[in-house]
Amino acid sequence: EAGVAQSPRYKIIEKRQSVAFWCNPISGHATLYWYQQILGQGPKLLIQFQNNGVVDDSQLPKDRFSAERLKGVDSTLKIQPAKLEDSAVYLCASRPGTTGVGEKLFFGSGTQLSVL
Amino acid sequence: AQKITQTQPGMFVQEKEAVTLDCTYDTSDQSYGLFWYKQPSSGEMIFLIYQGSYDEQNATEGRYSLNFQKARKSANLVISASQLGDSAMYFCAMTELRGNTGKLIFGQGTTLQVKP
Repeated sequence: EAGVAQSPRYKIIEKRQSVAFWCNPISGHATLYWYQQILGQGPKLLIQFQNNGVVDDSQLPKDRFSAERLKGVDSTLKIQPAKLEDSAVYLCASRPGTTGVGEKLFFGSGTQLSVL
Repeated sequence: AQKITQTQPGMFVQEKEAVTLDCTYDTSDQSYGLFWYKQPSSGEMIFLIYQGSYDEQNATEGRYSLNFQKARKSANLVISASQLGDSAMYFCAMTELRGNTGKLIFGQGTTLQVKP
């Protein structure tokens, strides 16, 4: 079974530039999450999708971050304009969302963003 | 609000010995789930073990066991017979089961180094 795919693996940009990350979840997984992991910290949820609808975006800095999940499959997270404090690893995760409570999340390898 | 606390930033263990990684949590929910994930240097989050709040027995998965003490709100991970490949960052996480969003709240993590 193919895992959660993310690209690019690494990205270096200058502040005030824009950047986009892509995620393709495991086939059939209804729920998709974007997490931000700053160096030395645990991941923090940015946004959660159920199919192509947003379930929770309370922690997403909406003045600069946006995300979409068209057709309920792959998803794109965008930052515009980027700030120095956005330097982090952006993790995408998915889960079936259909097999009941206590489902584990499957994570991709992440995109490491450096804002200079 | 839910909160996970991991008080050990770094741990060392000798190969083949057992090690316990501490995790305490705070929640007002009666129904919740607790997870442990491993994050090697490659960056991907790997699921290790799950414990539901209503599970009467401690969870075990191979060399991993979860020491669940509900009254003390602790969910420590025990790794038996440590291997060099166990060197990684370990995260404790929890989810509320009510609503079944699957959203995980993570702790700060513990870095484990296994010495030969």
